[in-house]
Amino acid sequence: GENVEQHPSTLSVQEGDSAVIKCTYSDSASNYFPWYKQELGKRPQLIIDIRSNVGEKKDQRIAVTLNKTAKHFSLHITETQPEDSAVYFCAATPYAGKSTFGDGTTLTVKP
Amino acid sequence: ETGVTQSPTHLIKTRGQQVTLRCSSQSGHNTVSWYQQALGQGPQFIFQYYREEENGRGNFPPRFSGLQFPNYSSELNVNALELDDSALYLCASSLGHSGGTDTQYFGPGTRLTVL
Repeated sequence: GENVEQHPSTLSVQEGDSAVIKCTYSDSASNYFPWYKQELGKRPQLIIDIRSNVGEKKDQRIAVTLNKTAKHFSLHITETQPEDSAVYFCAATPYAGKSTFGDGTTLTVKP
Repeated sequence: ETGVTQSPTHLIKTRGQQVTLRCSSQSGHNTVSWYQQALGQGPQFIFQYYREEENGRGNFPPRFSGLQFPNYSSELNVNALELDDSALYLCASSLGHSGGTDTQYFGPGTRLTVL
């Protein structure tokens, strides 16, 4: 089955700096890679996703890159703000809806 | 809000008991996936229902079972509860197509505590 590794497990940055979270996956059949933000006690919320036919996607301060050859994908957040503080999860999906998640990255943005 | 709802919000059970959790999918979505999220970990895939049929299962024992109804709402049943079943149970709905690229929308979850 699919295996997803996510690094780092914790990340602390100063407000305004950039944050990068990296994930690797094992199943070459995976073709959909969503990123979720989960605040304490709340549901995971999709913040950006990328599909296997695209190498990079950007939405305002958030971008995701995908390297299918190396089987890794990354989340980039620029100009971080305190409200970006949360746990971020990557996921790899070989079949509809059956996502394998990483263990999460706790991002802390210091004002 | 995404429209996916779950009930109950919180539940406390004792070992050996049985529990039923409920999920209403977003309007128009015919696929529901269930996930278990232990504290400090990412969600783990339990199983998926597509048009009332089980459509894939993760590494969970048979005492985890489910149903999907004609209106695409779903239930997760867990028998013979164990302490390790304590977790946040999330359902996610999507508009099912082949190809594995359906966007999932999560419900708020049910926090299950087994004593």
